[in-house]
Amino acid sequence: DTGVSQNPRHKITKRGQNVTFRCDPISEHNRLYWYRQTLGQGPEFLTYFQNEAQLEKSRLLSDRFSAERPKGSFSTLEIQRTEQGDSAMYLCASSSSLDRTYNEQFFGPGTRLTVL
Amino acid sequence: KNQVEQSPQSLIILEGKNCTLQCNYTVSPFSNLRWYKQDTGRGPVSLTIMTFSENTKSNGRYTATLDADTKQSSLHITASQLSDSASYICVVRAGGYNKLIFGAGTRLAVHP
Repeated sequence: DTGVSQNPRHKITKRGQNVTFRCDPISEHNRLYWYRQTLGQGPEFLTYFQNEAQLEKSRLLSDRFSAERPKGSFSTLEIQRTEQGDSAMYLCASSSSLDRTYNEQFFGPGTRLTVL
Repeated sequence: KNQVEQSPQSLIILEGKNCTLQCNYTVSPFSNLRWYKQDTGRGPVSLTIMTFSENTKSNGRYTATLDADTKQSSLHITASQLSDSASYICVVRAGGYNKLIFGAGTRLAVHP
């Protein structure tokens, strides 16, 4: 499968615990995005990488959230001291800067986080 | 404020019928508009992408239209199938930015 992959697919944690999610983009894509989606809503932008550089962060990304892409390939999203309001689907997408016309983003299946 | 609004919020149709979903946006500067299909518990999958100069684009039974003057788009589904049951999300990319602005989606249920 050469699409975007995310792990784990589901995560249940207790409030106050730290969690980390992983995203593996399409191999030739140099851009990577994280989104959060709550039930009945469209995804909301969290952050964006081009290669290993984090170029943009949303104000939704509080101090408890950190994302990395150390080698410009896979990325991790960590949430510290989780809160019940963090329960959501976390989506990763990737695209290529060579696609100048559309910059089409391809989404992974998401990680469903439930904070008890 | 950049916004994308979709209507209806939800829709139920019978298998084999056609339907049209609407999207209005206030995004400037406009770069392109996409329609995604999202099955429950899955990531969105792209159906069509249109730039300013493209008025219509088809992908099988899905046909999207774009009126950049009125800032409206529609997604028409022909001869619906049970597998069309999903959320359909309208997404606009603002020019010069790599982040997308998502609508809340229309939840379509196709019943036999």
